[in-house]
Amino acid sequence: QITLKESGPTLVKPTQTLTLTCSFSGFSLSSTGVGVGWIRQPPGGALEWLALIYWDTGTRYSPSLQRRLTITKDASKDEVALTMTNLDPEDTATYFCAHSPDSALGHFDSWGPGVLVTVSS
Amino acid sequence: IQLTQSPSFLSASVGDTVSITCRASQDIAVFLAWYQQKPGKAPNLLISGTSTLQSGVPPRFSGNGFGTEFTLTISNLQPEDFATYYCQQLNSYLFTFGPGTKVDIK
Repeated sequence: QITLKESGPTLVKPTQTLTLTCSFSGFSLSSTGVGVGWIRQPPGGALEWLALIYWDTGTRYSPSLQRRLTITKDASKDEVALTMTNLDPEDTATYFCAHSPDSALGHFDSWGPGVLVTVSS
Repeated sequence: IQLTQSPSFLSASVGDTVSITCRASQDIAVFLAWYQQKPGKAPNLLISGTSTLQSGVPPRFSGNGFGTEFTLTISNLQPEDFATYYCQQLNSYLFTFGPGTKVDIK
């Protein structure tokens, strides 16, 4: 059974840097084709894909946020981290991490419960 | 690639059949997925690869389409189906979600 869980600060000040961690179990991020992505959702809003890291350490970023994002993995700990710089109140959202089983099809079949991050001074 | 969904809001009754359309700004072949999301919960994958139903998803959900136009159909709508539905595409290793369609009880 695949499980994922996000962790990190829930309140961040504007201009600060946010680092979120996704801890997962039930799969290996070393298996061919597998990826872990980050998706966010502002209160009452739609889903927005942010970044994804693949089994081969390849990374992909949303073009609109690429300059502010870094995604990394620690295979020994079964963790994926997302760093976002220069936070703004518009970055207030629930941040989800999710498992992508197939790099060709590109869907997310298991999700963490999400963590609500509020950006406010 | 941008995704649009129509309608944005849909009011229906238990037992109805409803359809949601997702349109892509460019040809994405069959690389489209559908998710259901209930308030306060993470999205749940319903369909991948345009029409492949995920394990455990009732067969009243179906998907079809190709290229730039895709449809999610829910037959015999059940009380637990009232939720928001999102389409999502992959193209050139970049992902996009649609803006969502809220299905509400009439």
